[in-house]
Amino acid sequence: EAGVTQFPSHSVIEKGQTVTLRCDPISGHDNLYWYRRVMGKEIKFLLHFVKESKQDESGMPNNRFLAERTGGTYSTLKVQPAELEDSGVYFCASSPRGASSSGGYEQYFGPGTRLTVT
Amino acid sequence: GDSVTQMEGPVTLSEEAFLTINCTYTATGYPSLFWYVQYPGEGLQLLLKATKADDKGSNKGFEATYRKETTSFHLEKGSVQVSDSAVYFCALRIMMNYGGSQGNLIFGKGTKLSVKP
Repeated sequence: EAGVTQFPSHSVIEKGQTVTLRCDPISGHDNLYWYRRVMGKEIKFLLHFVKESKQDESGMPNNRFLAERTGGTYSTLKVQPAELEDSGVYFCASSPRGASSSGGYEQYFGPGTRLTVT
Repeated sequence: GDSVTQMEGPVTLSEEAFLTINCTYTATGYPSLFWYVQYPGEGLQLLLKATKADDKGSNKGFEATYRKETTSFHLEKGSVQVSDSAVYFCALRIMMNYGGSQGNLIFGKGTKLSVKP
């Protein structure tokens, strides 16, 4: 079974440009999460999809970030226009839908996209 | 708000040394607790978890016990190997009202471990 994949693995852009990150979750996983780790800091939650619906987007930093998940499969995260403080590693994770008695299902993470804004 | 505090590294140990990485948390609900590991060039992998007080999670020789009285979930391993070199993240997740515990994870800053032969 293929794991969570993310593309690109690394992106270097200039301030003011636009970048789109892509995440392909594990097939059949309804839950999809985006997280971000700014250098030296904790990994922070950005948003959570259940299928194509945004369940929780409380972690999105501002309206320069737009996430979509058309058809409930892959997801994109667009940053427009990018700022220097957007640099970091963006992780995507997925998990099956439904509760389990053991505290919920494991979230499976992708390798991350390292975004550098210069 | 809910948060996780873990000891900051880097931590450098010799092979076969004992490892402890401290993790404490603050939570308003009833969290599940996790340790994730990120090996060089890879994504985060779940190392172990505990879902209620006094539970002990274990995997690959690593252990952590959910201590509600001290709000801690310290990671330990009796004898580390070079292959354990990685970044370790402590995390919690609060039980959500919708569909069970499918909420987001709250992470600590990560601890980089280097094990020398």
